[in-house]
Amino acid sequence: DAGITQSPRHKVTETGTPVTLRCHQTENHRYMYWYRQDPGHGLRLIHYSYGVKDTDKGEVSDGYSVSRSKTEDFLLTLESATSSQTSVYFCASRPAGTGETQYFGPGTRLLVL
Amino acid sequence: DQQVKQNSPSLSVQEGRISILNCDYTNSMFDYFLWYKKYPAEGPTFLISISSIKDKNEDGRFTVFLNKSAKHLSLHIVPSQPGDSAVYFCAASEGGGSNYKLTFGKGTLLTVNP
Repeated sequence: DAGITQSPRHKVTETGTPVTLRCHQTENHRYMYWYRQDPGHGLRLIHYSYGVKDTDKGEVSDGYSVSRSKTEDFLLTLESATSSQTSVYFCASRPAGTGETQYFGPGTRLLVL
Repeated sequence: DQQVKQNSPSLSVQEGRISILNCDYTNSMFDYFLWYKKYPAEGPTFLISISSIKDKNEDGRFTVFLNKSAKHLSLHIVPSQPGDSAVYFCAASEGGGSNYKLTFGKGTLLTVNP
């Protein structure tokens, strides 16, 4: 499995505060993704990156921003956390090329009070 | 608009029997399909995939079948084992042009009873 870590693994925060989640991969993968998992919704793409400083929106990007200044790090920021952003967040990375797969991190459980 | 559908939220089978998980899709641009397995409190792990140029791919106890005309794929697990109990997600991709983004179904919880 690809070496993908996420930090923190658990976080409790209050409504209105900014929150940054970090994803770190050691595989030199070009592509990185942020998902959220919620009951009844499966995994939904928030933002993704196709290279350093190259990012784009996914299907549920409102209220989130991302940055990728290095190949190995992909940051997800909740500018002003809301209770609807309580979720489990997964990061994934993928090498370039057809026939490859995305490899997922262990997840971050975020609770917004 | 759900492009990847897993219509069975849960499935229960006996150990040793076959498990069949189903997935339907609506986007005809999808050309690569994957199954992921997820245990509680862990990230999804890749299980098996299939390209749209094939109709079957096998890996040990796991076989994925693709019916392009019906826009349907299925995952067969034979024989099922208690350790297979997990949530299974079907996912689809449009390929490189989409930056290999995946669209996931909502998942099916498989329970294998000893």
